[in-house]
Amino acid sequence: AQRVTQPEKLLSVFKGAPVELKCNYSYSGSPELFWYVQYSRQRLQLLLRHISRESIKGFTADLNKGETSFHLKKPFAQEEDSAMYYCALSPLNTGFQKLVFGTGTRLLVSP
Amino acid sequence: DAMVIQNPRYQVTQFGKPVTLSCSQTLNHNVMYWYQQKSSQAPKLLFHYYDKDFNNEADTPDNFQSRRPNTSFCFLDIRSPGLGDAAMYLCATSIIGSGANVLTFGAGSRLTVL
Repeated sequence: AQRVTQPEKLLSVFKGAPVELKCNYSYSGSPELFWYVQYSRQRLQLLLRHISRESIKGFTADLNKGETSFHLKKPFAQEEDSAMYYCALSPLNTGFQKLVFGTGTRLLVSP
Repeated sequence: DAMVIQNPRYQVTQFGKPVTLSCSQTLNHNVMYWYQQKSSQAPKLLFHYYDKDFNNEADTPDNFQSRRPNTSFCFLDIRSPGLGDAAMYLCATSIIGSGANVLTFGAGSRLTVL
């Protein structure tokens, strides 16, 4: 069965502190992994995907197939990073984005 | 510059009274999706359309139906809403074949069932 687990409902850090939002997944094939973000009063939007291997807004995420993890990291958190973050997976190479989402982690960055 | 528009943003209905939520897009994307997100839960895929081809998820209740009359519009019909159907309903689109295969979401429609 496909499953995405985000163990932390809330992560609270101070500005400038490192951030790691955890994501573990369960999938029998080769998935594509994503992080989506929802800022206050805004719609859900893509932050990054493992295929792109990009750094977006200072965030990076590395797919670890051995640990079935896709943790999101940022070395120095900013107040504007406060948002709801969802990890998600989709079967690779189907073309369809039939995403399986985790329950999300709310990141709160305090000044 | 909203590209996926959902209406209404807030819908209140009575138990058992049918409701329709709409989604329109200006992106000319060939795939449209409906997700259900209950409070503090993960968004859950209900079904998707690839052009006019409807694809239902195995565990989507029969109470939920969808229509896609053209590329731009997709509707979610809840035939007899129950209290357990109160949720945020998210419409999303994607395009197959462009290489940029990611979801673009609407702002959502929040359904309350009295």
